[in-house]
Amino acid sequence: EDKVVQSPLSLVVHEGDTVTLNCSYEVTNFRSLLWYKQEKKAPTFLFMLTSSGIEKKSGRLSSILDKKELFSILNITATQTGDSAIYLCAVAHSGNTPLVFGKGTRLSVIA
Amino acid sequence: EAQVTQNPRYLITVTGKKLTVTCSQNMNHEYMSWYRQDPGLGLRQIYYSMNVEVTDKGDVPEGYKVSRKEKRNFPLILESPSPNQTSLYFCASSLLAGGKNIQYFGAGTRLSVL
Repeated sequence: EDKVVQSPLSLVVHEGDTVTLNCSYEVTNFRSLLWYKQEKKAPTFLFMLTSSGIEKKSGRLSSILDKKELFSILNITATQTGDSAIYLCAVAHSGNTPLVFGKGTRLSVIA
Repeated sequence: EAQVTQNPRYLITVTGKKLTVTCSQNMNHEYMSWYRQDPGLGLRQIYYSMNVEVTDKGDVPEGYKVSRKEKRNFPLILESPSPNQTSLYFCASSLLAGGKNIQYFGAGTRLSVL
């Protein structure tokens, strides 16, 4: 059975801290891994990763994929209260079949 | 502006009263999908559609119906809502070309069934 497991489930940090969120997966015919950020509303797309070892970066956020060990990490440096959200990891596999989502990591950044 | 639009955003109803949540996208996406999100369970897929007149069950289809008569619209129908369908619902769409499947989400519909 395909599955995506995120850890930790929740995390509380202080502003300025650096955090690492984890996503491991077991799916057949992996194609890509996606990260989303969900604040109060809909999930918004952050990154899509398809190749091992190539870091994707956007401001203070970065992500990398290890296809051999079947996991990805999302790093956030110098966290701000606006980073507080649920971060979702999803995996696309086997052509055009649906994404498989993890349960998310709830990040709270306190001042 | 490219977007996925759901309506209504909030809905309170009673057990057994049929309701429809609409979803429309203006990006000419082939793929559309409905999810429900519940605390501790994450996003679970209800139904999805690869194209017009093509729909498939997701992980939790019981109690729901969908239709895809036009490419842009993908309504979610609850024929006889029950309290266990109280949840936050999201519609999403994506292009299928290249297998990238980056899904764009609507703003969500919070449903309470009393």
